[in-house]
Amino acid sequence: EAGVAQSPRYKIIEKRQSVAFWCNPISGHATLYWYQQILGQGPKLLIQFQNNGVVDDSQLPKDRFSAERLKGVDSTLKIQPAKLEDSAVYLCASRDSFSGNTIYFGEGSWLTVV
Amino acid sequence: SQQGEEDPQALSIQEGENATMNCSYKTSINNLQWYRQNSGRGLVHLILIRSNEREKHSGRLRVTLDTSKKSSSLLITASRAADTASYFCATPRRRGQNFVFGPGTRLSVLP
Repeated sequence: EAGVAQSPRYKIIEKRQSVAFWCNPISGHATLYWYQQILGQGPKLLIQFQNNGVVDDSQLPKDRFSAERLKGVDSTLKIQPAKLEDSAVYLCASRDSFSGNTIYFGEGSWLTVV
Repeated sequence: SQQGEEDPQALSIQEGENATMNCSYKTSINNLQWYRQNSGRGLVHLILIRSNEREKHSGRLRVTLDTSKKSSSLLITASRAADTASYFCATPRRRGQNFVFGPGTRLSVLP
């Protein structure tokens, strides 16, 4: 079974530029999460999708972050304009809502804003 | 808001020793999970313990849960250099069936 795929793995941008990250969850997983993990900290939830609907985006900085999952499969997270404090790893994860609580994570997209 | 918090923040032991890390949380939960993260990688699920369980084993891992104290512990026995990683506990949030991660314990196992 293929895992959660993310791209790009690494990205360096200047502040005020934009960036987009892509995620393809495990096939059949209805729940998709985007987490932000700053170095030395635990992952912080940005947004949760159930199929193509948003379940929780209470911690998403909506003035600069946006995410979509239009067809209920893959998802894109965008940051525009980026700030220095957005430097972090952006982790995508998915879960099979019907068979358990285990969350499966991708390897992450590392963002450095200079 | 942060639900779970691990301690210690960092732990360094010799290969073959046991490693114990703890997680404290604030509100009532129906399950608690532990994850491992190797440097530069994503998180990997280790074990889930439900609120009606007191102890659970998986290979060299032993997890306990004390709901009266709102705490859990993860014990890794006979540690190996490959166990060097960060370990996180995750607890459910009240809404949306998502999970809150603590800041993690960074474990270093020295050969």
